[in-house]
Amino acid sequence: DAKTTQPPSMDCAEGRAANLPCNHSTISGNEYVYWYRQIHSQGPQYIIHGLKNNETNEMASLIITEDRKSSTLILPHATLRDTAVYYCIVRPLSGSARQLTFGSGTQLTVLP
Amino acid sequence: GAVVSQHPSWVICKSGTSVKIECRSLDFQATTMFWYRQFPKQSLMLMATSNEGSKATYEQGVEKDKFLINHASLTLSTLTVTSAHPEDSSFYICSAPHLGASEAFFGQGTRLTVV
Repeated sequence: DAKTTQPPSMDCAEGRAANLPCNHSTISGNEYVYWYRQIHSQGPQYIIHGLKNNETNEMASLIITEDRKSSTLILPHATLRDTAVYYCIVRPLSGSARQLTFGSGTQLTVLP
Repeated sequence: GAVVSQHPSWVICKSGTSVKIECRSLDFQATTMFWYRQFPKQSLMLMATSNEGSKATYEQGVEKDKFLINHASLTLSTLTVTSAHPEDSSFYICSAPHLGASEAFFGQGTRLTVV
């Protein structure tokens, strides 16, 4: 799976948008960009994924650049409960029985 | 959505004893499950892949005789930490891929403390 690079930490004010960047310059054409988050002492939670188009769901938006070498996860109105480590993962075809390879992620701290 | 349940959430055991952790897929069948380990302030590291009806495959550096994995049914995988030592204290997390879904599902994790 392609390697990803994320900043180690970010702060965000409560109620503001949190924009978490991810670089994946070696991504292959069949690889998706996935985002998971891990709240302290819990298992990872799926957030969103995409191939090349921007995606939005009830949790977040995912913006993928046209060359697919980077992406940004957007939490539109961050709350204190969004404080977590956010992992950007690149992997091939969704639905396949493959393990996820976790990098070091970004520790997002939402400040009151 | 699909649910993966892990039990217990936390356990404290004495050095030298064994501890079993269960991972269940509650509303789908999982022929494969993954076991991860996470030390404090570190990321998740894959330990082993559990395969229903066959032997588990272990990542390099993970002792198969110490971390026994049994995947006896399509909804249950167990990880037994044998002869636990303080250095085995960690957060253990299982994952079950749902072949009909786009994302992987994770258990809530088990905090093991060996004293």
